Amino acid sequence: EAGVAQSPRYKIIEKRQSVAFWCNPISGHATLYWYQQILGQGPKLLIQFQNNGVVDDSQLPKDRFSAERLKGVDSTLKIQPAKLEDSAVYLCASSLDRRAGRGALHFGNGTRLTVT
Amino acid sequence: AQSVTQLDSQVPVFEEAPVELRCNYSSSVSVYLFWYVQYPNQGLQLLLKYLSGSTLVKGINGFEAEFNKSQTSFHLRKPSVHISDTAEYFCAVSDQQIPGKSTFGDGTTLTVKP
Repeated sequence: EAGVAQSPRYKIIEKRQSVAFWCNPISGHATLYWYQQILGQGPKLLIQFQNNGVVDDSQLPKDRFSAERLKGVDSTLKIQPAKLEDSAVYLCASSLDRRAGRGALHFGNGTRLTVT
Repeated sequence: AQSVTQLDSQVPVFEEAPVELRCNYSSSVSVYLFWYVQYPNQGLQLLLKYLSGSTLVKGINGFEAEFNKSQTSFHLRKPSVHISDTAEYFCAVSDQQIPGKSTFGDGTTLTVKP
């Protein structure tokens, strides 16, 4: 099966600019996640979707971050305006199991964002 | 809420030697446990998971882990490592009652030397 696709792989922007990341999960996976991985740390959950509804966005900085999952398939994560501390790898993951905590997360290769 | 502590940030070992990567967690509720591996410039890949049943779980690439409820630990082991095992390893926990919300440790860098 095709894996989780993410684009772009790398992005360099200046602070206060905006940026968007795209994710296409594994076909049939109902649950989609966006994680932020800062250098030297483990991934931290930003937002979780079940189909096209938000399950958990408690860790998403809503003043600058937004995400959507139209039609329950692809998803876009946006940052506007970006800050230096947003430099990180943004990982998209999906899972099949409807009780998603039981199932494994399938990760994409991530987008490495550098904010200068 | 859960937390995960990976006790070693870096573990250097020689090829064909055994290795143990340590993971402790804290949670007030029952959890599921996972180990993921991340190769350079790639996403995370599941190595193994503990959901229930036998406390010794086997994963891909010859890795295994043992769930110890009394010590709240989930250490990862491999009896003989290869150069290709050089990577970052992450331990993660997920609340059984909150689907999908995994908390990750900060990772252990395993470096296998010839």
